[in-house]
Amino acid sequence: TQLLEQSPQFLSIQEGENLTVYCNSSSVFSSLQWYRQEPGEGPVLLVTVVTGGEVKKLKRLTFQFGDARKDSSLHITAAQPGDTGLYLCAGRSGNQFYFGTGTSLTVIP
Amino acid sequence: ETGVTQSPTHLIKTRGQQVTLRCSSQSGHNTVSWYQQALGQGPQFIFQYYREEENGRGNFPPRFSGLQFPNYSSELNVNALELDDSALYLCASSFDRGLAETQYFGPGTRLLVL
Repeated sequence: TQLLEQSPQFLSIQEGENLTVYCNSSSVFSSLQWYRQEPGEGPVLLVTVVTGGEVKKLKRLTFQFGDARKDSSLHITAAQPGDTGLYLCAGRSGNQFYFGTGTSLTVIP
Repeated sequence: ETGVTQSPTHLIKTRGQQVTLRCSSQSGHNTVSWYQQALGQGPQFIFQYYREEENGRGNFPPRFSGLQFPNYSSELNVNALELDDSALYLCASSFDRGLAETQYFGPGTRLLVL
């Protein structure tokens, strides 16, 4: 059972475009993480957000944690082919991380 | 590279068999978590080991069991394999168990059950 739903499931865009990925749940999480996973590899942590309403920026990536700590978004500005991959959100409850359904992003040169 | 290694990288088994997957955690990490990732889905939490004790378990049957050794490496054992057990099995090691805990994932073991 996936507690976190991500949308869209698939996204194919042209290089230079902007995009937003959403991660939604009815559950409250103590923290939320975003990962990127490439084929044949394990997920790699991009960011951890802890406080409701928190916004973190990493170069062209902007992450936001919802005020109620139930949802999050990832915004990528001026996408590049190197951004291609599977983006996963993961909410922490206790000592467990619940992963989202994933968003597969393809950036076309 | 995260420093987390898993073996084997690929494995083919038949239904009813047993399998053992291995994970070497990053140096200094005392916590290992195991996940099952079916094709096209996000990872699902199987269980976590902290200092050789099971420290949480997801919604998996008892035929999924594990061990953590004094050097903090870990094993995942699956008995009576079923076709639906075919998946990528990921282990993740960590040290800081606070809210900002960072999990470092290995490359995974891809298991195919025929």
